[in-house]
Amino acid sequence: KQEVTQIPAALSVPEGENLVLNCSFTDSAIYNLQWFRQDPGKGLTSLLLIQSSQREQTSGRLNASLDKSSGRSTLYIAASQPGDSATYLCALYNPSGGGADGLTFGKGTHLIIQP
Amino acid sequence: EAQVTQNPRYLITVTGKKLTVTCSQNMNHEYMSWYRQDPGLGLRQIYYSMNVEVTDKGDVPEGYKVSRKEKRNFPLILESPSPNQTSLYFCASSGPQSWVGVYNEQFFGPGTRLTVL
Repeated sequence: KQEVTQIPAALSVPEGENLVLNCSFTDSAIYNLQWFRQDPGKGLTSLLLIQSSQREQTSGRLNASLDKSSGRSTLYIAASQPGDSATYLCALYNPSGGGADGLTFGKGTHLIIQP
Repeated sequence: EAQVTQNPRYLITVTGKKLTVTCSQNMNHEYMSWYRQDPGLGLRQIYYSMNVEVTDKGDVPEGYKVSRKEKRNFPLILESPSPNQTSLYFCASSGPQSWVGVYNEQFFGPGTRLTVL
C-alpha cells in the first residue's frame, strides 16, 4: 500500500529564507501529485498539481518538482514571508496502491516563518 | 466563483442526535468525497462518489452515511453521532477520476468542526 511521508513534520525559519519541503512516497506508479496549503482550522487550498509526465510546476514564489524514480517531490518556497506560515500537505493519485479511491495524503509539514 | 461549500461550519451536538452536514459544489464536478482530519492522524477518507448514485466506502466509513442524488450535492449523515466522531470534516470535489487518464485537481470546502458531547 502506498505510504506518503513528509519530513520534517515542523519547520521554523526566519523571514526571507528560501526553503524546501519534502514529500516521499513508496510506490512510484503515481499518476499525479498535488501540493496543498492549510491554514489553522481552515480548508485545503491547492497550490500546484504535477502530472506524472511532468517534472516540475511553478507558481509565483513556489516551485514543485517530481522525481518518480526516487519516490520524491519537493516544494521550494523562495524568499519566504510570514504569510507563508501554514501546514503544507502533499497528495498523490496511485490507483494500484493508494487509498480507497487511489488518493493518499501525507500528514503535512507545519511551517512557521518568523518575522 | 468556483467553490465547494459546507454547512454548518461549526456544530456542537449530543450523542445519538442525528445530523447532516451538507456539501455543494458549483463546478459541475463528477467526483466528490468526505474526509475527517484529526491531530496526528492526518486526513482520512470517509466516503467518495464517482458520479450521481455511485458511492463507495473510504478508509473510515463506520458510523457515517452519504447519498448522491444530484451531481452538485453530497451530504454526510451521522445517524447516531458518538464522541469519537468529534473532528474537523472536509468535503472535496474534482473532475472525472480516470484510471488511465489525467487526475484532476482537488478542491476542498472550508471545513465543518463537529463536537459530539
